[in-house]
Amino acid sequence: DSGVTQTPKHLITATGQRVTLRCSPRSGDLSVYWYQQSLDQGLQFLIQYYNGEERAKGNILERFSAQQFPDLHSELNLSSLELGDSALYFCASSVGQGGPYEQYFGPGTRLTVT
Amino acid sequence: AQTVTQSQPEMSVQEAETVTLSCTYDTSESNYYLFWYKQPPSRQMILVIRQEAYKQQNATENRFSVNFQKAAKSFSLKISDSQLGDTAMYFCAFSHNQGGSEKLVFGKGTKLTVNP
Repeated sequence: DSGVTQTPKHLITATGQRVTLRCSPRSGDLSVYWYQQSLDQGLQFLIQYYNGEERAKGNILERFSAQQFPDLHSELNLSSLELGDSALYFCASSVGQGGPYEQYFGPGTRLTVT
Repeated sequence: AQTVTQSQPEMSVQEAETVTLSCTYDTSESNYYLFWYKQPPSRQMILVIRQEAYKQQNATENRFSVNFQKAAKSFSLKISDSQLGDTAMYFCAFSHNQGGSEKLVFGKGTKLTVNP
């Protein structure tokens, strides 16, 4: 158990819908990263937050957005879903910045768009 | 942009034997970090080992060790005394501090099967 929690574990929804994935980092970790794992694209970095502020963006679509709340949990919002958005979405947390520090991954949310 | 290449999509090894997984990377940075992550069938991403580029000594963690060749930009993982529980996807990853972000860049992975 990495100490990072993600909910829900599985999500099945239809094209055009909107979903929210939730992540709670390890106690004391200030950085949260979101990654997408798909068969064709592999593991890709989406976005990072540090202590409530966006730190870096990767290959994140405009239909996707994220935020980190004062209690440090983070949410990834996916809207206007397409079949190609079906993937495993991971959240990872680390102590902070100035590292790199080890990133500890949550169990992931499996999103299926039908 | 940094890239990570794992040239072995699949490998297999007999239980108790030793296996080496290959990884090469491309970067112009001088200070960076390299990682191996394991993803078993449960899909959980588990950190196996990390290596700081400024350290000449190769990292070791129990049965896992790396061969870090900075000039060649090579970072292989050696698993000794392979166990059935080592069956998993293994991902090589690169990271460096860029504007306060330490995002991971992953290779495509190597699927390792340990046979009894």
